[in-house]
Amino acid sequence: GAVVSQHPSRVICKSGTSVKIECRSLDFQATTMFWYRQFPKQSLMLMATSNEGSKATYEQGVEKDKFLINHASLTLSTLTVTSAHPEDSSFYICSARPRRGNQPQHFGDGTRLSIL
Amino acid sequence: SQQGEEDPQALSIQEGENATMNCSYKTSINNLQWYRQNSGRGLVHLILIRSNEREKHSGRLRVTLDTSKKSSSLLITASRAADTASYFCATAGGSGGSNYKLTFGKGTLLTVNP
Repeated sequence: GAVVSQHPSRVICKSGTSVKIECRSLDFQATTMFWYRQFPKQSLMLMATSNEGSKATYEQGVEKDKFLINHASLTLSTLTVTSAHPEDSSFYICSARPRRGNQPQHFGDGTRLSIL
Repeated sequence: SQQGEEDPQALSIQEGENATMNCSYKTSINNLQWYRQNSGRGLVHLILIRSNEREKHSGRLRVTLDTSKKSSSLLITASRAADTASYFCATAGGSGGSNYKLTFGKGTLLTVNP
């Protein structure tokens, strides 16, 4: 089946550090990738939609200068949390929609970000 | 804002019993999907039901959709301990909306006791 690899799976770093998270579709091309944030025992909140070769579309309330998204190829999207602070600590999950066919999104295993 | 509201928030049953989870939503949709999430992991797609469908089956899963009531249910029959996870409904599309952008409900935490 379709596989989405998300890396790293866990990050612990100091306040003020910038953190990059990668999302790769391993065996399919993804026209669109999505980035979500999930706080403990809560649902997934869509942060932004990433389209290959174009600027990301951010949801209301999500700071685009804080959460930089790059979708340079059909198999890779990156999310960079710039100058992270403790309130940015969360579980970040990406998903990818296959380019071909009417298929559901495939999700990565998430990245647990902890800012000290 | 949250589109879907699952109910119950938590459900604890014995192995072999059936588990029913419900989801309500507010706006029109193109389809509704159910996902499963094991603790600390990503989501696994379980089943998709289109707005013109009323019921769908996949193995031990049965999903219903009532667009007049804007609600859906997920039934897991003959539950197993390995079914323990959080289950989310997600809606896509609708009037003016993207067919691909998903809005998730709050989820139901299912615990199946051996």
